[in-house]
Amino acid sequence: DGGITQSPKYLFRKEGQNVTLSCEQNLNHDAMYWYRQDPGQGLRLIYYSQIVNDFQKGDIAEGYSVSREKKESFPLTVTSAQKNPTAFYLCASTTQYSAVNTEAFFGQGTRLTVV
Amino acid sequence: AQKVTQAQTEISVVEKEDVTLDCVYETRDTTYYLFWYKQPPSGELVFLIRRNSFDEQNEISGRYSWNFQKSTSSFNFTITASQVVDSAVYFCALSEAGYGGATNKLIFGTGTLLAVQP
Repeated sequence: DGGITQSPKYLFRKEGQNVTLSCEQNLNHDAMYWYRQDPGQGLRLIYYSQIVNDFQKGDIAEGYSVSREKKESFPLTVTSAQKNPTAFYLCASTTQYSAVNTEAFFGQGTRLTVV
Repeated sequence: AQKVTQAQTEISVVEKEDVTLDCVYETRDTTYYLFWYKQPPSGELVFLIRRNSFDEQNEISGRYSWNFQKSTSSFNFTITASQVVDSAVYFCALSEAGYGGATNKLIFGTGTLLAVQP
């Protein structure tokens, strides 16, 4: 079945640690996105990538890093510079980066907690 | 600046009641798309509908209907004869075209938690 797979589902991070969230899609989509969800704040865009080996900052990129070495994969690293990383992280993909009309498909999310 | 407002934080209804979720948006773009997504307790966002800025016709899909009014910048979502399975967080979103080309960035509202009681 085609879709987006995020792993792990739950992740615990100690203060000062970097952690990487995985996102893999087998939909052959060009564009991929990372969103952060906090209670009462909706979803906010962290980074997005329209094509392999290229990515752009979203609205809240500070403290995060990404890579896009393969079309299918868009991992997100939460660095120690992110002061409040506890949140629910959602990965998404779309068919055409140049179209403003295609729906985004989402993974099931990773819940990150700082301990 | 583009913005999506969902003023209703939580709504609680009894099964079989009709319920309307409000969505108001702001954009300077003449071409844009509006979306509704459902987020069940599992966390994954499920696509419900996409509507472009040039099509103001209302749409009905089973118990779901959407009312798009450019004059009031609103894109409201109505569930008729609600069911317990409709309980979820519902997000309205606006698709923005970035400088230098479209980016498909989605701008989300804060969501409305709908609780349908049996």
